[in-house]
Parts: sequence; C-alpha cells; structure tokens
Amino acid sequence: NAGVMQNPRHLVRRRGQEARLRCSPMKGHSHVYWYRQLPEEGLKFMVYLQKENIIDESGMPKERFSAEFPKEGPSILRIQQVVRGDSAAYFCASSPMQAPNEKLFFGSGTQLSVL
Amino acid sequence: GESVGLHLPTLSVQEGDNSIINCAYSNSASDYFIWYKQESGKGPQFIIDIRSNMDKRQGQRVTVLLNKTVKHLSLQIAATQPGDSAVYFCAEDSLVTSGSRLTFGEGTQLTVNP
Repeated sequence: NAGVMQNPRHLVRRRGQEARLRCSPMKGHSHVYWYRQLPEEGLKFMVYLQKENIIDESGMPKERFSAEFPKEGPSILRIQQVVRGDSAAYFCASSPMQAPNEKLFFGSGTQLSVL
Repeated sequence: GESVGLHLPTLSVQEGDNSIINCAYSNSASDYFIWYKQESGKGPQFIIDIRSNMDKRQGQRVTVLLNKTVKHLSLQIAATQPGDSAVYFCAEDSLVTSGSRLTFGEGTQLTVNP
C-alpha cells in the first residue's frame, strides 16, 4: 500500500511563473490536506479538501493560491505568479473518510524554490 | 494569537539515555495532541497521540504526558538511539470540528550522540 505521493520533489520557478504541486493520497483516503513549511518552522495548515469539494481554505492566501481535488486524479495545489516568499516545503496529508480527526499520513513534500 | 510552541529548539543526548521534549500550548479548546517526527527531506511521521481525557499514553519506547492544568505536553523517548535524531513537532487539534486542521509548534531538533 503506497503512502501519500507528492510530485515533483523539487520545483524551481522564476518569479511570475506558475507552480503546480501534485498529491496522490493513500489508497482509500478521500480527505486531503495541504500544509506549508518555511525553513526551521512548523507546518502551517492551508486547505482541506474532499473529493470535488473544498471544505476549509482558511489557511490559504486569498490571492494566487488555489487547490482542487477532482473526482479522478491527484489533488493539485496551484500557485500563480510566484514570488520569493512562496519558497517553502509544501506537504500533503491524507486521511480515511470514516471519521473526523483521523490520523494524518504525510507525503515527503515538494520543495519549491523561487528564483 | 493562540499557538503551539516548544520550550527548547535543540536537544542533544547520549545514545541510550532517555530524552524528554516539551511543548506548551495556549488554545484551551484543543483536545487532541499529536507528536510527529520529521527527518531531513521527509514529511512528518506520526509517533503518538493523546486525547484530553487522558494524561498519559505509552507506545513503543515513547510516552506522551499531558498536563491540562498548565497546558503542557511532553514526549519521552526511552533508550534514545541514533535513528531517533530528527526534528520533533507537537501539534494540536480540536475533536469538535470535522476533519483535521493541525496547529504545529516550531519543532525541537534532537541530536543523539553515539
């Protein structure tokens, strides 16, 4: 049973470009969460999604950031017109659908570097 | 704002010693707490959790203690091994809300010396 898969592992973008980060949850998991981690800091919640629905995006910046979790395929975190401050590690986590507050399983993250 | 924080940013121990990593939280609504281990270049790995109706929970070589009176959480690692070297985060959540929106502390770097 594969874990949470994120790709790419490393992504380099120039200022103004778009970044697309992908996350495939664990098999059987329909809840996906995105977190951002700045260097030497803890993870910060961004968005919580279920299949085809955004449940809570309270941690996501209002502009340039968007997330989706389509019926088929991975969850996508999209950052438009990236700026240097977007450089961070972005982690995806998933949990099963049976109950809230289930244990989260994290992927290995995507390290975004904005030049 | 309310947050979860840690007392010490770094901890260095000798192999075989016991390690204690501390965490303070300030959100009195938190009722679920988790410890994660993060190795370099990897995502957080679940270690152990505890709900607010408990004050102690034991796992394999790890024990979590919760003191709700002073809003303090600790992780004890017995017979620390070199493989335990990592950054340890405490995180808190509320069981009242649907889904998990963890609030992480800033982490403690544990170094185990052989």
